[in-house]
Amino acid sequence: KNEVEQSPQNLTAQEGEFITINCSYSVGISALHWLQQHPGGGIVSLFMLSSGKKKHGRLIATINIQEKHSSLHITASHPRDSAVYICAVSHTGNQFYFGTGTSLTVIP
Amino acid sequence: GAGVSQSPSNKVTEKGKDVELRCDPISGHTALYWYRQSLGQGLEFLIYFQGNSAPDKSGLPSDRFSAERTGGSVSTLTIQRTQQEDSAVYLCASSPSTTLRETEQYFGPGTRLTVT
Repeated sequence: KNEVEQSPQNLTAQEGEFITINCSYSVGISALHWLQQHPGGGIVSLFMLSSGKKKHGRLIATINIQEKHSSLHITASHPRDSAVYICAVSHTGNQFYFGTGTSLTVIP
Repeated sequence: GAGVSQSPSNKVTEKGKDVELRCDPISGHTALYWYRQSLGQGLEFLIYFQGNSAPDKSGLPSDRFSAERTGGSVSTLTIQRTQQEDSAVYLCASSPSTTLRETEQYFGPGTRLTVT
């Protein structure tokens, strides 16, 4: 069993739609990270959060520590949002665990 | 300013050869991570450096893998006697804080290693 599970694995949306990607984890964490990986491989850190909610532009990340669950929301999705979104958790110590990613395609 | 850089961007090597992959973190960043992303797989933690402390090597898959970080800056990941299953993209990330677990990481572009 993976320590970090993401859903859905693949997601196709029409431009403008509201998108939610979910992440569940099974280990104690000090922080949860959402990463974005574009075709070509570059990875960008979107959010790091340990409680509550963060917002950056059209992106919103929430975390529920008690339920060990986080969601990444994209409002008014755009084709340039097409990428793989990866959830990662920093465990006690220095270990990081990664989800396998959600591949998002936004169609114009 | 300059981001994390890695070299080479692509490396093709024959099975059994040794390879060295280089990472230049953002200047002033004390923490440095190496990760591996195999085709179709998620990211896998390999090793973590924090300042001059002994590295956390808990993610290294075998004793053929080693890494060093000279002067708290540039890091080199070495894979000895490469195997085909070592083929992957090797990513480096750095972070400015001593409390790495609670800060964002800045990723390099990766080195794509192909073992033939």
